[in-house]
Amino acid sequence: QVQLQESGPGLVKPSGTLSLTCAVSGGSISSSNWWSWVRQPPGKGLEWIGEIYHSGSTNYNPSLKSRVTISVDKSKNQFSLKLSSVTAADTAVYYCASRDIVVSGPYYYYYMDVWGKGTTVTVSS
Amino acid sequence: SSELTQDPAVSVALGQTVRITCQGDSLRSYYASWYQQKPGQAPVLVIYGKNNRPSGIPDRFSGSSSGNTASLTITGAQAEDEADYYCNSRDSSGNHPFGTGTKVTVL
Repeated sequence: QVQLQESGPGLVKPSGTLSLTCAVSGGSISSSNWWSWVRQPPGKGLEWIGEIYHSGSTNYNPSLKSRVTISVDKSKNQFSLKLSSVTAADTAVYYCASRDIVVSGPYYYYYMDVWGKGTTVTVSS
Repeated sequence: SSELTQDPAVSVALGQTVRITCQGDSLRSYYASWYQQKPGQAPVLVIYGKNNRPSGIPDRFSGSSSGNTASLTITGAQAEDEADYYCNSRDSSGNHPFGTGTKVTVL
């Protein structure tokens, strides 16, 4: 069973760059899954940030696209998130997740079935 | 538009049935997945695809879809089902936005 673990600084200064890593254990990052980042500001809902495939292909939330980079390191079996020019609005719990896909006849089922426990990042001087 | 809209809150009496809905244009083309989140915990997948439950999810959770609306139904709600629920779906651009979330209170 795949397990995910986020890591990175819990405090980032305004205008700085937030950097997080998600370690994948119990499976290979080169599997057929896409690897995702999701965040949740205090008291608010879930926000999809983006995802990466082991080939390096990415999809990003249009509202964050100009500031987000997601990368994969196959040698370390991990993927990473960088979010630049952060403000207090980027304070959130950041989750990494594994997105799978099932084909059933003509239909494609997309879902995030494995999640990390989440890591809190606060943007403050 | 890739927005997914949910009712902010619903309540259900213990043992009764509650339906949570998710509306969005992308749902005409793609099935939703549903996530349960309890305070201080990571989300947990409860339904995906047409009506599929991951291992370990009780069969009182079911899903359905019609037009631009996806629904999650809890039949015989239990106290432990009190949580926030989010839908998620692929959109035509390959993005995977979440719904606005629904807080379910079990009375």
